[in-house]
Amino acid sequence: DVKVTQSSRYLVKRTGEKVFLECVQDMDHENMFWYRQDPGLGLRLIYFSYDVKMKEKGDIPEGYSVSREKKERFSLILESASTNQTSMYLCASSLITGVDNEQFFGPGTRLTVL
Amino acid sequence: AQKITQTQPGMFVQEKEAVTLDCTYDTSDPSYGLFWYKQPSSGEMIFLIYQGSYDQQNATEGRYSLNFQKARKSANLVISASQLGDSAMYFCAMKGAGSYQLTFGKGTKLSVIP
Repeated sequence: DVKVTQSSRYLVKRTGEKVFLECVQDMDHENMFWYRQDPGLGLRLIYFSYDVKMKEKGDIPEGYSVSREKKERFSLILESASTNQTSMYLCASSLITGVDNEQFFGPGTRLTVL
Repeated sequence: AQKITQTQPGMFVQEKEAVTLDCTYDTSDPSYGLFWYKQPSSGEMIFLIYQGSYDQQNATEGRYSLNFQKARKSANLVISASQLGDSAMYFCAMKGAGSYQLTFGKGTKLSVIP
């Protein structure tokens, strides 16, 4: 079974703090993704990566950065957390591009910024 | 650009009855894939079913089937014999050929009543 794990289920941080969200997948997938989910807005893509050290902006990259130093690990970084970044963050992975390759998701991290 | 529309924010269904969750999409890609995901209250996104744009038959997976009407650009999810454990958010998503990312709808919250 594909397993995608995220470092924390719940996280509380203060405004201005630097926040790291870690994601690890164990199925040798090339693609990894970070989404945020807000009520009524569905899932919105923040960043994705199709290879080690490669990254592409998604729909809402402002205020975020990412790092992919190893194939299995994809980190989301909030350089200076703000209250409007309070959200559910979901990591996903998939095989290399194909219309039929579903994405496998981690359990999510509920981040609260005070 | 791709767009997914789910017009039902919430739905109720009696246990053991069938329910249809609506999804319409818009894309200029001639080849694309359509996905349905389930998100229980625990937060994890669970892949349910996939339909390719060139598939001749509607996809089925156990109690889930996808009513794919290409000309109408609709990909409705049908859940037969609803169970209490089906209560969750359901997201429709699509991916175009050559695209890395999934585009998600805003979701439908399904509640199964005993």
